[in-house]
Amino acid sequence: QSALTQPPSASGSPGQSVTISCTGTSSDVGGYNYVSWYQQHPGKAPKLMIFDVSKRPSGVPDRFSGSKSDNTASLTVSGLLAEDEADYYCSSYGGSNSFVVFGGGTKLTVL
Amino acid sequence: QITLKESGPTLAKPTQTLTLTCTFSGFSLNTAGVGVGWLRQPPGKALEWLAVIFWDDDKRYRPSLKNRLTITKDTSKNQVVLTLTNVDPVDTATYYCAHRRIAAYGWFDSWGQGTLVTVSS
Repeated sequence: QSALTQPPSASGSPGQSVTISCTGTSSDVGGYNYVSWYQQHPGKAPKLMIFDVSKRPSGVPDRFSGSKSDNTASLTVSGLLAEDEADYYCSSYGGSNSFVVFGGGTKLTVL
Repeated sequence: QITLKESGPTLAKPTQTLTLTCTFSGFSLNTAGVGVGWLRQPPGKALEWLAVIFWDDDKRYRPSLKNRLTITKDTSKNQVVLTLTNVDPVDTATYYCAHRRIAAYGWFDSWGQGTLVTVSS
């Protein structure tokens, strides 16, 4: 059982927006502004899409955005493209001992 | 350009000790703030963080595996080594190493391609 809770699946049509939630506790998501999101295509390594709740690494399209409210973080993908179909994992800093905790992953399907 | 590559056995027997090596380029583990982490992903399951080592040799371990994990670095070879003792079939997973940049709390910006390790008798 993962430390952070994500819905197992999400879907949307091309051009639409979809939001994936990630719920933790005050010891991780709620306690720090250090939530990150990864995209993983089948058989590939995870790719960092969002860090520090809402920052995008260089090269990540601005269609990807992140936010947080209390113990729940969210990833929104706008203007869905077929290439956005992948698994998405949230993670959060968990303090000096846990360092990082992950969610169980959400499979995003572009209909 | 930062690159990382994992190496090690593809198959291990139960109770054995698994040793994995991460060889990297494009950064130095002598640079203040930098770290290298190990993570794994059982087939069809979620990512799990295992351990991280920082430039100053500070180390953090996944609490549930702390007694079985050791992470070390060799800055002269640009390598980080992870050992996992007393492996079990549940340790079957793709193991990744990843770069932690300065001031990155709980996230990794560059990952290796991963190496699949199967634990079976």
